[in-house]
Amino acid sequence: AQSVTQLGSHVSVSEGALVLLRCNYSSSVPPYLFWYVQYPNQGLQLLLKYTTGATLVKGINGFEAEFKKSETSFHLTKPSAHMSDAAEYFCAVSDTGRRALTFGSGTRLQVQP
Amino acid sequence: DAGVTQSPTHLIKTRGQQVTLRCSPKSGHDTVSWYQQALGQGPQFIFQYYEEEERQRGNFPDRFSGHQFPNYSSELNVNALLLGDSALYLCASSPLGGASTDTQYFGPGTRLTVL
Repeated sequence: AQSVTQLGSHVSVSEGALVLLRCNYSSSVPPYLFWYVQYPNQGLQLLLKYTTGATLVKGINGFEAEFKKSETSFHLTKPSAHMSDAAEYFCAVSDTGRRALTFGSGTRLQVQP
Repeated sequence: DAGVTQSPTHLIKTRGQQVTLRCSPKSGHDTVSWYQQALGQGPQFIFQYYEEEERQRGNFPDRFSGHQFPNYSSELNVNALLLGDSALYLCASSPLGGASTDTQYFGPGTRLTVL
């Protein structure tokens, strides 16, 4: 069985500060890892994904994540937060990109002016 | 190019009733998955349809059923509604004949309230 743990249900940063959202996973097979963002009253938008190959993955809106197998982690970062980054962020794991996704409980990011 | 669309946007039902939610996948996509997102939680996988058959199912009771049509659109049916079924129901689609690395793209969801 696969699982995802997102540490910190709420994270608050100042505009321009580093964003770090933590994600640890458990998987018995090589994982496919995803970060999705959800704005209020909307569906999920893909930020980035790791499947195979390069462990540092760059996504949209300046976000990136690094797959660390030894730490079973896939933390999301952005060097400089913008007000528009305020949203709910979900980490997810799958055994392929097309099959069932297992999501974490989410981290709500607040950006203070 | 339209993305994944879902209808209706909002729905209010009473306990014991039945509900049908609809999803049209993104153009060129043949696989549809359904997820339930309770308030304050991450989405949970209900089931996935491919070639009009249920290919994979999560830990949901038989009250939850689905269908996929030849045009790849899909329906989610929930019978004997419970208060706990109140949630945002998300549909996601994946590309036609795609590789295992292909991504699921989500629709805006249907907000179901059970009174």
